[in-house]
Amino acid sequence: GAVVSQHPSWVICKSGTSVKIECRSLDFQATTMFWYRQFPKQSLMLMATSNEGSKATYEQGVEKDKFLINHASLTLSTLTVTSAHPEDSSFYICSARDSASEAEQYFGPGTRLTVT
Amino acid sequence: GNSVTQMEGPVTLSEEAFLTINCTYTATGYPSLFWYVQYPGEGLQLLLKATKADDKGSNKGFEATYRKETTSFHLEKGSVQVSDSAVYFCALSRSSNTGKLIFGQGTTLQVKP
Repeated sequence: GAVVSQHPSWVICKSGTSVKIECRSLDFQATTMFWYRQFPKQSLMLMATSNEGSKATYEQGVEKDKFLINHASLTLSTLTVTSAHPEDSSFYICSARDSASEAEQYFGPGTRLTVT
Repeated sequence: GNSVTQMEGPVTLSEEAFLTINCTYTATGYPSLFWYVQYPGEGLQLLLKATKADDKGSNKGFEATYRKETTSFHLEKGSVQVSDSAVYFCALSRSSNTGKLIFGQGTTLQVKP
């Protein structure tokens, strides 16, 4: 089946620094990718929709200047958490829609971010 | 607004027991409904889906029926295995075009031999 990878799988950074998380579709092209955030024992919350070659669409309450999304190719989207703070510590998950069928989203394994 | 509510876990069962994980939703119109499964260390995988009322989704022995009258999409399996131990997420999508998914909080299932 379709595979989506995320890198890194976990990262620890200091408060005030920026962290970039990559999401790649390995064997298909994805015009659309999604970024989710998950707190412990809670649901996945959609942060933004990333469209190749255009600006991301952010959900209400998500700071676009804080969470920078770039979708420069059909197989790669990146999420950069800028000036990270401890409250940004969370599990970040991406998903990708196959451009050929757009019938299903394929999820990455997630990235655990800890800000100290 | 749109939302999904799942029964709280964890759910602990013995092998070959019957499984039900409740899921109810709130949405206007006619959403599509999904169950995703997340095995340890892996990404979410689509388990089954239903796109209209009375549809039954099924896969790997799991079933769920889209009940509009009760706004429910309960997940069932007649005989669970240890390998079914995972986190299960119920989700809805209002639009097949945008692909936006709204998830429940997830239910952890642990099956003991």
